[in-house]
Amino acid sequence: QVRLVESGGGVVQPGRSLRLSCAASGFTFTNYAMHWVRQAPGKGLEWVAVISYDGRNTYYADPLKGRFTISRDNAKNTVYLQMNSLRPEDTALYYCARDRNVMVVAASFFDYWGQGTLVTVSS
Amino acid sequence: QSVLTQPPSASGTPGQRVTISCSGSTSNIGSNTINWYQHLPGMAPKVLIYGNDQRPSGVPDRFSASKSGTSASLAINGLQSEDEADYYCAAWDDSLNGWVFGGGTKLTVL
Repeated sequence: QVRLVESGGGVVQPGRSLRLSCAASGFTFTNYAMHWVRQAPGKGLEWVAVISYDGRNTYYADPLKGRFTISRDNAKNTVYLQMNSLRPEDTALYYCARDRNVMVVAASFFDYWGQGTLVTVSS
Repeated sequence: QSVLTQPPSASGTPGQRVTISCSGSTSNIGSNTINWYQHLPGMAPKVLIYGNDQRPSGVPDRFSASKSGTSASLAINGLQSEDEADYYCAAWDDSLNGWVFGGGTKLTVL
């Protein structure tokens, strides 16, 4: 069955970097776009970024552009989120989610989600 | 401040019907399909409704949704205790070139 397992979270000081990974299994990874979505403590879901099946198309939430980078390695069935210049407000549970489509299209949805990996930005 | 607006809370007793609203604009709900997600405590979010009003297999028909103009609503009939969760609407925003979520509605079953 479809499985998404996030890793790489932890405690990091403000200004430092962190790379999250999401290992996918149970489906043909190259047939789907992939997302990162986060949830800060006590807050709602916030979409972070999406990458198309081949990695050629990426989109980001406006506030995160320039600091976060989404990428994928189709040989390893893994999607990544590189987070630079981290701030305390980036503290959140980061979820990986599968898009229902191969490309980034508006008429789509997130059909499978991982359990998340917790990132805490604190000195 | 979320791009899509939802009431922060809703409640009902078992067996009741509850509706949750989601308000947006012409660049998101007005132009694109809307999806609804259920987020149970300690669990991964789950798609409840996609494409405005479509239920994935496995989602009970107690859950339904509709869209009109720049607003949408989720309805839960025959409320059950296991429906206690956070509910989020989401849509693609053409102006932002990205996905936007509502702030979420915490549903309490009294």
